Amino acid sequence: QVQLVQSGAEVKKPGASVKVSCKASGYTFTSFYFHWVRQAPGQGLEWMGIINPEGGSTTYAQKFQGRLTMTWDTSTSTVTMELSSLRSEDTAVYYCARAGMNWFDPWGQGTLVTVSS
Amino acid sequence: DIQLTQSPSFLSASVGDRVTITCRASQGMSSYLAWYQQKPGKAPKLLIYVTSTLQSGVPSRFSGSGSGTEFTLTISSLQPEDSATYYCQQLSTYPITFGQGTRLEI
Repeated sequence: QVQLVQSGAEVKKPGASVKVSCKASGYTFTSFYFHWVRQAPGQGLEWMGIINPEGGSTTYAQKFQGRLTMTWDTSTSTVTMELSSLRSEDTAVYYCARAGMNWFDPWGQGTLVTVSS
Repeated sequence: DIQLTQSPSFLSASVGDRVTITCRASQGMSSYLAWYQQKPGKAPKLLIYVTSTLQSGVPSRFSGSGSGTEFTLTISSLQPEDSATYYCQQLSTYPITFGQGTRLEI
């Protein structure tokens, strides 16, 4: 079945960078784009950006421009999200999701990133 | 950016009840609106896309409708497992945005 498995929880200091990976299985990796979404503790969902794993084109939310980088690796069917210059407000669960024409499905299990000094 | 406002923010209902959650957009948009269900500690799950198309495997008691600036999610006969937070999402334009969520307590 289609599955997205994300890397494990991270604890980072302010100013550092974090990488979260998302490994896809159960379908042809390059056939669908990927989104990244985050959710701060007790808060709603915030879209971060999208990557096309065939060619690597990206679109980032303006809020994250300059701090966010999405990459892909076809050989391992993995997309990676890197967020730099971390601050406490970046503490959140980060999700990858497969992008359909007009839906996100499935989602990865989520990766908690904690930013604390 | 298209802002989505859900109402109510919290809803308490009983098993068997029919409930409706509304999602209002800050401007007119296409039919590219989706609904997700999220349970505590879990990733969101797609319920409905393109306003009214039921995702495979989702019970038929869930339905969606709407157009323009007002969209609704209806659960026709609540079950205990429907206790969750529900989010609407617009995919009409970038940035993709979500409503603030509606917590449904059974």
